[in-house]
Amino acid sequence: EVHLVESGGGLVQPGGSLRLSCAASGFTFSSYAMSWVRQAPGKGLEWVSAIGATGTGTYYADSVKAWVTISRDNSKNTLFLQMNSLRAEDTAVYYCAKDRSVVAAMGGMDVWGKGTTVTVSS
Amino acid sequence: QSALTQPASVSGSPGQSITISCTGTSSDVGGYNYVSWYQQHPGKAPKLMIYDVTNRPSGVSNRFSGSKSGNTASLTISGLQAEDEADYYCSSYTSSSIVVFGGGTKLTVL
Repeated sequence: EVHLVESGGGLVQPGGSLRLSCAASGFTFSSYAMSWVRQAPGKGLEWVSAIGATGTGTYYADSVKAWVTISRDNSKNTLFLQMNSLRAEDTAVYYCAKDRSVVAAMGGMDVWGKGTTVTVSS
Repeated sequence: QSALTQPASVSGSPGQSITISCTGTSSDVGGYNYVSWYQQHPGKAPKLMIYDVTNRPSGVSNRFSGSKSGNTASLTISGLQAEDEADYYCSSYTSSSIVVFGGGTKLTVL
C-alpha cells in the first residue's frame, strides 16, 4: 500500500528552524516528483514547494522561497523540507504529497500524507 | 502568483448536479492542461479527484467530471450524495513552473 508519513513538526519560536521529513513506502520513490503543501488553521491549501524525481529541479512558492529548502534522499525514500526564520504566519499543517509525474508541479498530487503540524509562537 | 478564484460555497440537494468554477489566467489555467481538483473532508488530507483537466484517478466515482474553457476550469458533480459534502480545491501548473491553488469551495448537500 502506498504510504506517506510526515514528521518533524512541533512548536518553534519565531525566527527558529525546523526540518520536516516525509517517509515514503509502497511505490518507487525515485520515479516521482514530490511536493509540500500547507494549510493554515481554518484556511485553504497553499502549495509550498516541489522537487523533481531525481532531485535536480526544485521549485518554491514566492511566499517561502527565501527561507525554505526542499530536498530528497532517494536511497532512503525520504523527502525533506528545511524551514528557517519561521514566522507566525508559517503556522500550518504541512502535507507531503506524491506527484503523478516525474516532473515537479505537473499532473496533480495523487497520494498525500496525514500531515504534520507546525506552530510558530513565543 | 495570485490564487485561482473559486466560489466560497455552493449547495445542492441529493441527486442534483452542481458545478464549481475555477478562474485563473492565461499563465496558469488557460495556458496548460494541468488543472487538478481535490476533495477535502474536515480534518482529513486532500484527495485527488481530477487531474489534467478531465481525467479521474482510479477509484474516483464517474459522478465527478472536469472541463475547461479559456481561463476557467470547472468541476461537475452529478447525482449529489451526502458524502460529497466537503471542501473542494482546484490547482494549476503555472508559467513560473509552480503550482497555484484556488481558495476553496465549501459544498453543502442540503
